[in-house]
Amino acid sequence: DTGVSQDPRHKITKRGQNVTFRCDPISEHNRLYWYRQTLGQGPEFLTYFQNEAQLEKSRLLSDRFSAERPKGSFSTLEIQRTEQGDSAMYLCASSSLGQSSYEQYFGPGTRLTVT
Amino acid sequence: GQNIDQPTEMTATEGAIVQINCTYQTSGFNGLFWYQQHAGEAPTFLSYNVLDGLEEKGRFSSFLSRSKGYSYLLLKELQMKDSASYLCAVRDSNAGNMLTFGGGTRLMVKP
Repeated sequence: DTGVSQDPRHKITKRGQNVTFRCDPISEHNRLYWYRQTLGQGPEFLTYFQNEAQLEKSRLLSDRFSAERPKGSFSTLEIQRTEQGDSAMYLCASSSLGQSSYEQYFGPGTRLTVT
Repeated sequence: GQNIDQPTEMTATEGAIVQINCTYQTSGFNGLFWYQQHAGEAPTFLSYNVLDGLEEKGRFSSFLSRSKGYSYLLLKELQMKDSASYLCAVRDSNAGNMLTFGGGTRLMVKP
C-alpha cells in the first residue's frame, strides 16, 4: 500500500496526558498537512510542512499542539496536557509540488478520545 | 478569512440526479475541491475546479463560477454506495494554499 498511513488508528487517553501521532505520507510527496475533524464537521486545518519546514500554522492551534517533520518524510503531532475538547479525528494528508499539486491525499486518521 | 456554506443534509432516490451546492468567500481563490467521505473513513478526492465551467468525470460533475463564489457537485445515476458526506473545500493562495473545508453535506440515497 503506497497511500498515506497514520498510527495509531485509535487512541484513548485520560485528560492531562500527552499523546503523539505519526503520519507517513506518500513517499514522493513533499507537502504534508494536519487537519482535525469533529463529528458532523469538515476537516479543520492545523498546520502544514513543505519538506522539513513548517510553513503555516493555524491561529486556532494552541501552544499545547506541536508538529514536526524532522527529515522531510514522516511527521508527528503531539498534544500536551490533553483536554476533553481535543477529542476528534486527526487527519494527515500529503501532496506533491508540480502539476498535480492540487490534490491532497488523506490518511485514515487517528481518532482521539480524551476521557 | 474564509466562509464556505453547503447544505447539511440531502436525501435522494437511487437512480436519480442530485446537485449539492457550495458558496464561498475567500481573499485569494486558488481552486475549489470536492471530496467524498464515507462514515469513519478518510476524505477521497472527487474533483477540482480553478476556472469557470463544468468538469465532468463519469457520474460526477463539478461546476464553478468564480464571479458568484459558487460551485455545485452533480451526481448522476445515484447508487446506494453514494451515501456519504460531500465536502467542498477552497484553496487560498494568501494562506499558504491550505484548504478550508465547508461543514460537508450528508447525502442519503434511498431505494
